[in-house]
Amino acid sequence: GQQLNQSPQSMFIQEGEDVSMNCTSSSIFNTWLWYKQDPGEGPVLLIALYKAGELTSNGRLTAQFGITRKDSFLNISASIPSDVGIYFCAGSMNYGGSQGNLIFGKGTKLSVKP
Amino acid sequence: DADVTQTPRNRITKTGKRIMLECSQTKGHDRMYWYRQDPGLGLQLIYYSFDVKDINKGEISDGYSVSRQAQAKFSLSLESAIPNQTALYFCATSDLTVNYGYTFGSGTRLTVV
Repeated sequence: GQQLNQSPQSMFIQEGEDVSMNCTSSSIFNTWLWYKQDPGEGPVLLIALYKAGELTSNGRLTAQFGITRKDSFLNISASIPSDVGIYFCAGSMNYGGSQGNLIFGKGTKLSVKP
Repeated sequence: DADVTQTPRNRITKTGKRIMLECSQTKGHDRMYWYRQDPGLGLQLIYYSFDVKDINKGEISDGYSVSRQAQAKFSLSLESAIPNQTALYFCATSDLTVNYGYTFGSGTRLTVV
């Protein structure tokens, strides 16, 4: 089945640092999404991407839909303590007019540097 | 009120007991999903439903069953709970296009002792 490889699995951030994470797929997608999950809560949508090459920002967050349609990255600029949490990428593909289920990456856990 | 409401938020149950987790939504979405998340891990799809008469197994459906009572309600049952079903369970909804992704509930933390 389809798989998404999300990296890094975890990372530590210091306030003010920029953060990058990415997802790669064995299959092409026509939609890429990025979610954030705060501890004890459900994932919340951050950014949605619909076209190859698309670059979209949401405040300090920037995400891109790779031109091969098999990858996406998320950047967080000037990180702040409330950025900690788990970030998930997700992708889906249209099958004959019906949109398939989202495929989720395993997540990138952001923690504050001790 | 939340768009996707899960009840209960927390539950402790004993091995062998039957338990039901409930999900209701006010989004008007046709598609509903149940996911399981183990500590530090990603989301695993248990069951999904595209409408009231449609139920589909996900990656890890063994030991679970679901019921789509109405467009807005989708419940997950553990017929005979076992300790390795201790996890965080999420319900999610989407429209048919999935263009705006899924809307998740706040989760049910289930502990089986």
